[in-house]
Amino acid sequence: EVQLVESGGGVVQPAGSLRLSCAASGFIFGDHWMSWARHAPGRGLEWVANIKEDATEKNYVDSVKGRFTISRDNARNLLSLQMSALRAEDTAVYYCVRVVGSGWFGYWGQGTPVIVSS
Amino acid sequence: DIVMTQFPDSLAVSLGERATINCKSSQSLYYRSNNRTYLAWYQQRPGQPPKLLVYWASTRESGVPDRFSASGSGTHFTLTISGLQAEDVAVYYCQQYYSTPQTFGQGTRVEIK
Repeated sequence: EVQLVESGGGVVQPAGSLRLSCAASGFIFGDHWMSWARHAPGRGLEWVANIKEDATEKNYVDSVKGRFTISRDNARNLLSLQMSALRAEDTAVYYCVRVVGSGWFGYWGQGTPVIVSS
Repeated sequence: DIVMTQFPDSLAVSLGERATINCKSSQSLYYRSNNRTYLAWYQQRPGQPPKLLVYWASTRESGVPDRFSASGSGTHFTLTISGLQAEDVAVYYCQQYYSTPQTFGQGTRVEIK
């Protein structure tokens, strides 16, 4: 059974930093693109970043470029999102996602909340 | 970026009746070289993560009840719930994975009338 378990969320002040982690199990982690997506209160879903199987390609939504960094450790089945220079508009539940096929989001974790507030 | 627009924003349907959700993309999601349409549908129940319902615009994910059906091509797509059940109360999202950034519609909330 595919399992994606996020951790690391919490309350952080504006301009602060936070590192999210996602522990993956139930599949061969190194064989799949992975993504982070978020759901802000009162707003819809938003893709945040993705990373290729071997980490040679990474992509980001424009609003987080230069502030967020996605990474992976295939030996430990771990996906990470380093977030810095956080803004109020980054407040959201962040989901770890396993990409399937040609890019749809086949499996989602339960999410970890990030609140950016002073 | 491809803009995805859903309508209506919300709808209330009686149990057992049909719910129809529409999604429009700002450019075609059809890739001629492989004859595929790069659109997915998701269901998000209250307090839950999103769940994949459909990919390739009309292929139902394994385990999804057959009362859920999807159709469309090019830039116009539809998700239909035939015979609404109480457990179908949720927000439904369309998503294009034709190009990066993958983008979602704003969501359509389905409630019981």
